[in-house]
Amino acid sequence: GENVEQHPSTLSVQEGDSAVIKCTYSDSASNYFPWYKQELGKGPQLIIDIRSNVGEKKDQRIAVTLNKTAKHFSLHITETQPEDSAVYFCAADNSNTGNQFYFGTGTSLTVIP
Amino acid sequence: NAGVMQNPRHLVRRRGQEARLRCSPMKGHSHVYWYRQLPEEGLKFMVYLQKENIIDESGMPKERFSAEFPKEGPSILRIQQVVRGDSAAYFCASSPPPSGGFTGELFFGEGSRLTVL
Repeated sequence: GENVEQHPSTLSVQEGDSAVIKCTYSDSASNYFPWYKQELGKGPQLIIDIRSNVGEKKDQRIAVTLNKTAKHFSLHITETQPEDSAVYFCAADNSNTGNQFYFGTGTSLTVIP
Repeated sequence: NAGVMQNPRHLVRRRGQEARLRCSPMKGHSHVYWYRQLPEEGLKFMVYLQKENIIDESGMPKERFSAEFPKEGPSILRIQQVVRGDSAAYFCASSPPPSGGFTGELFFGEGSRLTVL
């Protein structure tokens, strides 16, 4: 099955700096890669996603890049703010089962004011 | 448009009791997933269901755990004879069916936090 690895596990940045979180996956048939933000005591919230037919997608301060050949994708947050502090999870779908998702182990991001 | 609704949000059980967690998917979503999250860990897939059908239960423990998604009503994750190691947050998610060959987006509920004493 799919194996998703995520790095780093913790990340601290100064407010205003950029943050980058990287994930790799093993199943070359995966074609959908969402990113989730989880605040303390809450459920994961979808913040951005990318499909295999594009290499980059941007939504305001958040961008995601995908390299299908190398089987890795990254989340980029620019001009970080304290409210960006949360745990971020990457995920990849499992095309064999049609709609199952495998998650990375999470990155705890702290933005220092 | 209400999101994924889970209840109870918090549940305390003593060892040996049963825990039932309920999940109502978003309107129009026919796929339900259950994930378990242990403290300081990621989301572990448990089971994937459609109405009246279990599609993939490869992440479910072989014993004591079961899930259903009946024709009417919410999806239920049932844990029998709970043990302390079952203490975790259980998240339900739902998605629309794949369309045009593309995977549907996954939306999560706020989770049910089970504590086993």
